[in-house]
Amino acid sequence: ETGVTQTPRHLVMGMTNKKSLKCEQHLGHNAMYWYKQSAKKPLELMFVYSLEERVENNSVPSRFSPECPNSSHLFLHLHTLQPEDSALYLCASSPVGIERTGELFFGEGSRLTVL
Amino acid sequence: AQRVTQPEKLLSVFKGAPVELKCNYSYSGSPELFWYVQYSRQRLQLLLRHISRESIKGFTADLNKGETSFHLKKPFAQEEDSAMYYCALSGRSGGYQKVTFGTGTKLQVIP
Repeated sequence: ETGVTQTPRHLVMGMTNKKSLKCEQHLGHNAMYWYKQSAKKPLELMFVYSLEERVENNSVPSRFSPECPNSSHLFLHLHTLQPEDSALYLCASSPVGIERTGELFFGEGSRLTVL
Repeated sequence: AQRVTQPEKLLSVFKGAPVELKCNYSYSGSPELFWYVQYSRQRLQLLLRHISRESIKGFTADLNKGETSFHLKKPFAQEEDSAMYYCALSGRSGGYQKVTFGTGTKLQVIP
């Protein structure tokens, strides 16, 4: 399968649960991103991994914990979330280098609902 | 700091009418500007980038550094153009390219 794939597509969890979102890309890219998309705010950058090293942690609460075991996989571990964390979480990847910088390839997103 | 502003949340036009989606940016360096589009029930995808200076699906966008703008234009709107449009700026931040998005404009083309 090509492109950026996110699982699960939908997730409902309680505030005391622990769950994880998964992202996988088969584009040969070596930068991966987590964005949060909610109805009332623009796309918010959460984390960036470049060459498997975290290069951006955009003031995200510690209840969100990213993991990038290799350049093809990215996880977002969730624990003790709040209802306001309900949103669409988008994963994206991009090539690293001088050319095509800033061109992101997005997954379809994981719709998270926190009860 | 880098910032992208899209002043219109919703833009409604009739089919065949011209379209202009506004985007202004703030960035101290030399930016790369993009337009992304999200059709209903589809993923967010790149529409065009200023470096390419190309027309995609009839859309064009010119970078105006004096006015710090990157407005998206199309001379004749089609129903299939209805979607959410996001302007984005890519700028150097530390050791990587940081991409910042605007709040988006929903384009509604009325038949």
